[in-house]
Amino acid sequence: DAGVIQSPRHEVTEMGQEVTLRCKPISGHNSLFWYRQTMMRGLELLIYFNNNVPIDDSGMPEDRFSAKMPNASFSTLKIQPSEPRDSAVYFCASSTRAAGEQYFGPGTRLTVT
Amino acid sequence: AQSVTQPDIHITVSEGASLELRCNYSYGATPYLFWYVQSPGQGLQLLLKYFSGDTLVQGIKGFEAEFKRSQSSFNLRKPSVHWSDAAEYFCAVGRYNAGGTSYGKLTFGQGTILTVHP
Repeated sequence: DAGVIQSPRHEVTEMGQEVTLRCKPISGHNSLFWYRQTMMRGLELLIYFNNNVPIDDSGMPEDRFSAKMPNASFSTLKIQPSEPRDSAVYFCASSTRAAGEQYFGPGTRLTVT
Repeated sequence: AQSVTQPDIHITVSEGASLELRCNYSYGATPYLFWYVQSPGQGLQLLLKYFSGDTLVQGIKGFEAEFKRSQSSFNLRKPSVHWSDAAEYFCAVGRYNAGGTSYGKLTFGQGTILTVHP
């Protein structure tokens, strides 16, 4: 089993640029979650989807952030325009709704200069 | 709303010593409870989970946790710590809906960093 796949693993970009993070959940999982982790704020849930539909996006910090899940095997998190304070590790996780436990990807470390 | 408190930000133990990491939750009904571990530069890995039944659950890497409803706690334990256990540990709580399945959203504690001295 491949687990949750995220790309890229590392991203360095300049302020103002668009950043797109990608996630492939575990096959058969119908819930997908995007988290952000920083030293100051810990692990924050940004948005989650059930069956490709966004359920709760209350954690999305600003309109600069958007997420999509066009099908059951792919999701993107986009930041446009990026700012230095967006620097963090972004995790994607997936689960089967009935089970509850989430399986995390390796994360994308984003640095905005 | 549910919440999770991990009272200890940082714990240091000697290799071979026993370990207990504390977790307290706030939720009106029986929750789903989880412990995750995160090694530096890695994602979170599920150690163990509690849904129902036996209140003492066994996990991977020799860890166990005990659900105590009266204390709203789900503490993680290991009888003998190895240097490779040094990591950050997160407790998380989820909840059921009326049909017995999870709503899917977990609430995580702030984490406890474990340092292991040789």
